Amino acid sequence: GQQLNQSPQSMFIQEGEDVSMNCTSSSIFNTWLWYKQDPGEGPVLLIALYKAGELTSNGRLTAQFGITRKDSFLNISASIPSDVGIYFCAGQLHNYGQNFVFGPGTRLSVLP
Amino acid sequence: DVKVTQSSRYLVKRTGEKVFLECVQDMDHENMFWYRQDPGLGLRLIYFSYDVKMKEKGDIPEGYSVSREKKERFSLILESASTNQTSMYLCASSLNRGVYEKLFFGSGTQLSVL
Repeated sequence: GQQLNQSPQSMFIQEGEDVSMNCTSSSIFNTWLWYKQDPGEGPVLLIALYKAGELTSNGRLTAQFGITRKDSFLNISASIPSDVGIYFCAGQLHNYGQNFVFGPGTRLSVLP
Repeated sequence: DVKVTQSSRYLVKRTGEKVFLECVQDMDHENMFWYRQDPGLGLRLIYFSYDVKMKEKGDIPEGYSVSREKKERFSLILESASTNQTSMYLCASSLNRGVYEKLFFGSGTQLSVL
């Protein structure tokens, strides 16, 4: 099945720094979802985006639905140790009904 | 919040055993999904269901079957477990077949087949 491109694959940052990551595709999406997954756990939904250009925040997290509808961005401000985990995106294709496609994830490490 | 509950966090089974993974959601969602997650391969869709007694194959259905006898419950069955089915299995649900949906996951079942 199709997958999204997600970058970076991994990142090491200092506590307090801001983080940016993105997902891209050659296809147009109706919906973008951002998840965080801790080791051995299921993904937890962080932010849902439904409209091109939409900017949505959830605490220190901000995500944007790209204008072209082919990409999305997630920013984390003032990172803290509990931000450690894998962040991945999911997109619902324009004409793919209910099914979602997923990015491979960005592994975030926060150094104290 | 939606709760998707998977019956086991960890399972160890032997090759050839029949394995049942159970998933229950408590928000009257129509759609339920089974994924497996492997390092380097990401999330792959095994089966999904839009309604009771309905099932559709995903991208990797071989070696698996599913059952949805009640709306809230979706079971994944490994008829004869093999070592290449060792993986993290994730159940998910969403409200209906709309185009602006959210997908909610359970905590996962880490299955080891020896």
